[in-house]
Amino acid sequence: GAVVSQHPSWVICKSGTSVKIECRSLDFQATTMFWYRQFPKQSLMLMATSNEGSKATYEQGVEKDKFLINHASLTLSTLTVTSAHPEDSSFYICSARDPRTSGTVNEQFFGPGTRLTVL
Amino acid sequence: QKEVEQNSGPLSVPEGAIASLNCTYSDRGSQSFFWYRQYSGKSPELIMFIYSNGDKEDGRFTAQLNKASQYVSLLIRDSQPSDSATYLCAVGNNYGQNFVFGPGTRLSVLP
Repeated sequence: GAVVSQHPSWVICKSGTSVKIECRSLDFQATTMFWYRQFPKQSLMLMATSNEGSKATYEQGVEKDKFLINHASLTLSTLTVTSAHPEDSSFYICSARDPRTSGTVNEQFFGPGTRLTVL
Repeated sequence: QKEVEQNSGPLSVPEGAIASLNCTYSDRGSQSFFWYRQYSGKSPELIMFIYSNGDKEDGRFTAQLNKASQYVSLLIRDSQPSDSATYLCAVGNNYGQNFVFGPGTRLSVLP
């Protein structure tokens, strides 16, 4: 299957600082990537859909000025958590669809996730 | 609001038994259905997808879809302790977009 990587795998930062998370598709070009957030013992919540060369589409309730998404190339999307606070501590996971998959069903492949802890 | 529901569990089955995981969804327009497995502290990994009514088998896993009842299930035969994880059901439209994940069912396979 397609391979998606994330960097860093974990990060600890002080309140008020900004953190950038990278998501890369390693063996395919992803025109669309997705960013999810998962709090402990909860399911994945879609934050935004990242489209290469255009603005991201944010889900209701997600602050676009706080969670900046840039999808500058077909293999890289970045999520920047600006002025992070302890309540932003979570597991952030990106995913991408592999356009090479056959048929009309394009399953999402997930990166390994980034655990953010804001002190 | 599209909703996907799963029994949160934990569902406990003995090793070698069949584990049955269920998922219901609210959007009748949903076309693609996915089962992911997530180990604690890890990201989800795709087990299989299904988009036609009926059964789809892949090794020890069988997905069952009933669009009329808006119900999709995952059967795991010969359950192993390594199958212990949270299983997430995800539902999307015709092109796998607009993914909505269920809350997940925690499965525990007892040796």
